[in-house]
Amino acid sequence: AQSVTQPDIHITVSEGASLELRCNYSYGATPYLFWYVQSPGQGLQLLLKYFSGDTLVQGIKGFEAEFKRSQSSFNLRKPSVHWSDAAEYFCAVYASGTYKYIFGTGTRLKVLA
Amino acid sequence: DAGVTQSPTHLIKTRGQQVTLRCSPKSGHDTVSWYQQALGQGPQFIFQYYEEEERQRGNFPDRFSGHQFPNYSSELNVNALLLGDSALYLCASSGMGDRVYEQYFGPGTRLTVT
Repeated sequence: AQSVTQPDIHITVSEGASLELRCNYSYGATPYLFWYVQSPGQGLQLLLKYFSGDTLVQGIKGFEAEFKRSQSSFNLRKPSVHWSDAAEYFCAVYASGTYKYIFGTGTRLKVLA
Repeated sequence: DAGVTQSPTHLIKTRGQQVTLRCSPKSGHDTVSWYQQALGQGPQFIFQYYEEEERQRGNFPDRFSGHQFPNYSSELNVNALLLGDSALYLCASSGMGDRVYEQYFGPGTRLTVT
């Protein structure tokens, strides 16, 4: 069955430090992968997506993610975190043929001043 | 270009009542999906509507039903509300043809059941 795992429930980093949020997926075919950010009480904002081609994808707000088929991973990175990045981050895979997204349980990011 | 809109923003209902949530898709989109996001969880797929029909359904009871109108807008209905139905309900729309995998999310409706 398709699934998405985000191993880190909470992550705390200092402002200016680098960030990596982990995402592992289980899916038989080539996946469509997404990262979303959600601020408290808000909807989901798309950060970036991977469909095919270059395995390093750039997104908004200085985020990037790398698709690694051999590791079934799609980790999100940012070289220097800003206080405004504090939010919850969700990784998702589109399960082709089922028409639905499967989300991970999210990683809550806290940024220390 | 308006994105996905949802109404109402918040509402409070009592156990046993019924509720209707509404969604207008992004301009040019013809497919609407609904997700439930319980507190501290990732969104869970409820169902998807395309051409006014339910095309796919997640693991939700029949108390959850929906409808899509000719203008592609959609409603989510929940009957016999339970405390566990308290959640953020997200609507997502997607475009025609093979862009169905690119879903755009609305701001959500926060439902509280007391």
